[in-house]
Amino acid sequence: DAKTTQPPSMDCAEGRAANLPCNHSTISGNEYVYWYRQIHSQGPQYIIHGLKNNETNEMASLIITEDRKSSTLILPHATLRDTAVYYCIVANYGGATNKLIFGTGTLLAVQP
Amino acid sequence: GAGVSQSPSNKVTEKGKDVELRCDPISGHTALYWYRQSLGQGLEFLIYFQGNSAPDKSGLPSDRFSAERTGGSVSTLTIQRTQQEDSAVYLCASSLAGGYGYTFGSGTRLTVV
Repeated sequence: DAKTTQPPSMDCAEGRAANLPCNHSTISGNEYVYWYRQIHSQGPQYIIHGLKNNETNEMASLIITEDRKSSTLILPHATLRDTAVYYCIVANYGGATNKLIFGTGTLLAVQP
Repeated sequence: GAGVSQSPSNKVTEKGKDVELRCDPISGHTALYWYRQSLGQGLEFLIYFQGNSAPDKSGLPSDRFSAERTGGSVSTLTIQRTQQEDSAVYLCASSLAGGYGYTFGSGTRLTVV
């Protein structure tokens, strides 16, 4: 079973920041938070992951609360091409237990 | 290759026939995963290969499903005696050992008629 809770859908205006929340209240100390997205008819695409510190890359920023029970993925300037289902996943890092269990995700619709 | 390659991209088969789906992971990636996605649904984990370790088969839905990974590279997912409920997109992903982000292939769309 997925260990995360996400809203089923969100809207965002083009050019504005998209903030996608995720609750993972049962996360354990050695589990990371991963974010992926799936654009229609394509395979999922890795976005970012983190343990407890905030992370940023060319695609997005990941903000993890101090208690690690929730996180937010931020797309700073959403474009129409960012319309996709966004998945938040918690999983162990590496080793035989590193498999990602996808939940139902958040459908982000970027509006022109 | 530059990415994860899956073949065929589309497969239509008759109920009761066997099918084989192929996945070529990124060179050097020791971890390989199979998922399936039914229409309008999320991704369902099927099986996970990590190096020379015994595969994690906990997601295979029935004994009609099996997978092999030869030489630590190419993997084949076999579905025997296909049923209509097997119709889905079958996705393969690979990653470096150590939990880096997965790279997914474009999938094989299987239709059982």
